[in-house]
Amino acid sequence: GAGVSQSPSNKVTEKGKDVELRCDPISGHTALYWYRQSLGQGLEFLIYFQGNSAPDKSGLPSDRFSAERTGGSVSTLTIQRTQQEDSAVYLCASSPRPGNTGELFFGEGSRLTVL
Amino acid sequence: KQEVTQIPAALSVPEGENLVLNCSFTDSAIYNLQWFRQDPGKGLTSLLLIQSSQREQTSGRLNASLDKSSGRSTLYIAASQPGDSATYLCAAPNSGYSTLTFGKGTMLLVSP
Repeated sequence: GAGVSQSPSNKVTEKGKDVELRCDPISGHTALYWYRQSLGQGLEFLIYFQGNSAPDKSGLPSDRFSAERTGGSVSTLTIQRTQQEDSAVYLCASSPRPGNTGELFFGEGSRLTVL
Repeated sequence: KQEVTQIPAALSVPEGENLVLNCSFTDSAIYNLQWFRQDPGKGLTSLLLIQSSQREQTSGRLNASLDKSSGRSTLYIAASQPGDSATYLCAAPNSGYSTLTFGKGTMLLVSP
């Protein structure tokens, strides 16, 4: 596709369940980011992938959060044993250049609601 | 760690006005700064990316300036239209890291 694609667009789950969020970046973009946006809060960095390098996981809020990127393309963010405070919009972005040197392109986000 | 502040938090103007949105950052050792637009329930759309070697970047009715020495950037919107209503965010790189720090945004409402 032409842009960053995220799925699902909306996810409602019960507390304690696991969820998986998917991001399909723009073809050829080597950098991929996950951010979280909570109501009334700014964007919070979660994790960064660059090519085949080890990801920067410094933003993950707890060990319930994990992410992987297969084949340098599609990424999956997994939240285990979801809590109500995990409710937020999870945004994925990709960039054609590494680090912060290039323009960021965002997907529409996955809105997660934990009941 | 980089801190980004945007003023004002909200702005309401009548159609046709020129307006300025402000962004300040604490760590001036940046090599670029980006402005984004976010419509309700949507992701972020990149508006302008200013490299540290530039002082201004223009796209249509939008003009962004960057003053590293003072830690400030401004987004100027000329002849505002109701379709410009959205939240505008600026983002600055974190020195030594491959991440961006975002401001909390300015929510703009342009009335017909």
